[in-house]
Amino acid sequence: KNEVEQSPQNLTAQEGEFITINCSYSVGISALHWLQQHPGGGIVSLFMLSSGKKKHGRLIATINIQEKHSSLHITASHPRDSAVYICAVGGRAQKLVFGQGTRLTINP
Amino acid sequence: DTAVSQTPKYLVTQMGNDKSIKCEQNLGHDTMYWYKQDSKKFLKIMFSYNNKELIINETVPNRFSPKSPDKAHLNLHINSLELGDSAVYFCASSQELGQGYSGRDIQYFGAGTRLSVL
Repeated sequence: KNEVEQSPQNLTAQEGEFITINCSYSVGISALHWLQQHPGGGIVSLFMLSSGKKKHGRLIATINIQEKHSSLHITASHPRDSAVYICAVGGRAQKLVFGQGTRLTINP
Repeated sequence: DTAVSQTPKYLVTQMGNDKSIKCEQNLGHDTMYWYKQDSKKFLKIMFSYNNKELIINETVPNRFSPKSPDKAHLNLHINSLELGDSAVYFCASSQELGQGYSGRDIQYFGAGTRLSVL
């Protein structure tokens, strides 16, 4: 079992829908990262959070340290949001440990 | 100006060959990383360098040797390439200082190098 588990693995939705991607982890962490990998392959960091909630445009990330769980929400989803979303945790192991990614497809 | 640049973007080679991938960052960061992304899109750390010093060396075959001539560059040399080395390799950097890795710094990724071993 991976230390970082994401769900769902694949998600297809219609434009405009509210999207939630979940991430659960089993290790102690100092921070959790959400990354976006575009269809072309490039990886971009979306959020780094260690508590509470962060918002950037239509993206919202939350984390519950006690429950070892984080969610990434996308409001008013758009086809350009189609990408693989990756959760990663950083901690004492001096490295990021990645989830397997969630492939999101937004249809027009 | 590209913050983290990798070359080449694509690399197709025969089994048994030796190849290098170069990475440079112009962000002034102290820490650089090499990641391997397999066919299932799973990312895994290979190496991490802080200010030219090796910090992380995961269970990577000895055929992989990172070299950091200065803190802005981290190159990856691979000897005797095997079919299983086919993957996308990503370089990244972050402003982690010294040995006290916190995991709290944003990492900036290069565009990736797609290596195909035939």
